[in-house]
Amino acid sequence: KAGVTQTPRYLIKTRGQQVTLSCSPISGHRSVSWYQQTPGQGLQFLFEYFSETQRNKGNFPGRFSGRQFSNSRSEMNVSTLELGDSALYLCASSPGYDRPGQPQHFGDGTRLSIL
Amino acid sequence: GDSVTQMEGPVTLSEEAFLTINCTYTATGYPSLFWYVQYPGEGLQLLLKATKADDKGSNKGFEATYRKETTSFHLEKGSVQVSDSAVYFCALSESGQNFVFGPGTRLSVLP
Repeated sequence: KAGVTQTPRYLIKTRGQQVTLSCSPISGHRSVSWYQQTPGQGLQFLFEYFSETQRNKGNFPGRFSGRQFSNSRSEMNVSTLELGDSALYLCASSPGYDRPGQPQHFGDGTRLSIL
Repeated sequence: GDSVTQMEGPVTLSEEAFLTINCTYTATGYPSLFWYVQYPGEGLQLLLKATKADDKGSNKGFEATYRKETTSFHLEKGSVQVSDSAVYFCALSESGQNFVFGPGTRLSVLP
């Protein structure tokens, strides 16, 4: 079974630009969550999508947005990039149903660097 | 809301030493508990899990027991190896949703 796939692995952008990151979940998983990981702030939750609807949202500004397609693939967009957006962005998928014990499965992340 | 607290480290041990990484949680319901490991340049990998009180999760020599009375899920390994050097995250989830992660503990094992 293929794991969670994130593309691209690395990105370099400049301030003010926008960026789109992609995540393909494990087949059959309907929940996709996005996290930002930085050395200073640790792992911070951005948002979760389930069946094309945003189900949960973290405390990030509106510049961070996402969407999920009917095949459960998800994209995350960041507009008007700032230096502080430099981070590893992780995607995680899970079945998403109300069932205890189901773990999240993570991709290897997209490393975004803002110059 | 739910939260997870764990020792942030870094923790530095010699090879074959005993490892304990403490994790405590606060939850309104009855969560499932997880330990994840992150190696350099990679995402998080599930290490072990437990879904009810007194359950013991184990994998690759690591163990953790779900202690409801102390709201804890401490990670232990009897003899660490250099290859165990990584960042370890404690996490909880209620009903397969709303995952909450601790800040992570960096472990360095010296030969």
